[in-house]
Amino acid sequence: NAGVTQTPKFQVLKTGQSMTLQCAQDMNHEYMSWYRQDPGMGLRLIHYSVGAGITDQGEVPNGYNVSRSTTEDFPLRLLSAAPSQTSVYFCASSYGNRGGQYTQYFGPGTRLTVL
Amino acid sequence: SQQGEEDPQALSIQEGENATMNCSYKTSINNLQWYRQNSGRGLVHLILIRSNEREKHSGRLRVTLDTSKKSSSLLITASRAADTASYFCATDSQGAQKLVFGQGTRLTINP
Repeated sequence: NAGVTQTPKFQVLKTGQSMTLQCAQDMNHEYMSWYRQDPGMGLRLIHYSVGAGITDQGEVPNGYNVSRSTTEDFPLRLLSAAPSQTSVYFCASSYGNRGGQYTQYFGPGTRLTVL
Repeated sequence: SQQGEEDPQALSIQEGENATMNCSYKTSINNLQWYRQNSGRGLVHLILIRSNEREKHSGRLRVTLDTSKKSSSLLITASRAADTASYFCATDSQGAQKLVFGQGTRLTINP
């Protein structure tokens, strides 16, 4: 299994540009999440999904959109990039509440710089 | 808002020594997890402790949970250079799908 994969690994955008960060998992996990990590800080939840067709906002959703059309994929869209969105973005997945399997599996991250 | 607060923010010890880091949280939880993050990498799950457990072991890791004090500790015994990483606690106070992470403890093991 590849686990959780993210593309691209690095991206530089100009203010106002849009882009999509890709995330895919091959573990048939129900739950998927997007986090951002800023220097010296923990992870903050942007959006999450508890299954295909179901998404909800996390702690810092402004400026981001998500959709979940399949179990495997959970793309994150930046609508109009701003310098405040410069961060490292992590995608994670888990079985959710099934059998008490709460462990989250993380992708390698996408390092985004907005100029 | 950060639910978990780790202490200390940074810890530097000699190889072979034990490392202890602490996590405090604010609201009731069902379980608490610890994750490790190597530099430039994603987080890796280490151990989960449920609210009805007081202590749990996994290899050189020992986790304790005190729900009355809303705190947890992670002990790494006989540290190795490969343990150099940042360690985060995460709680499910907002639901299993909305883990809340602390700011982390940056652990450095000196050879």
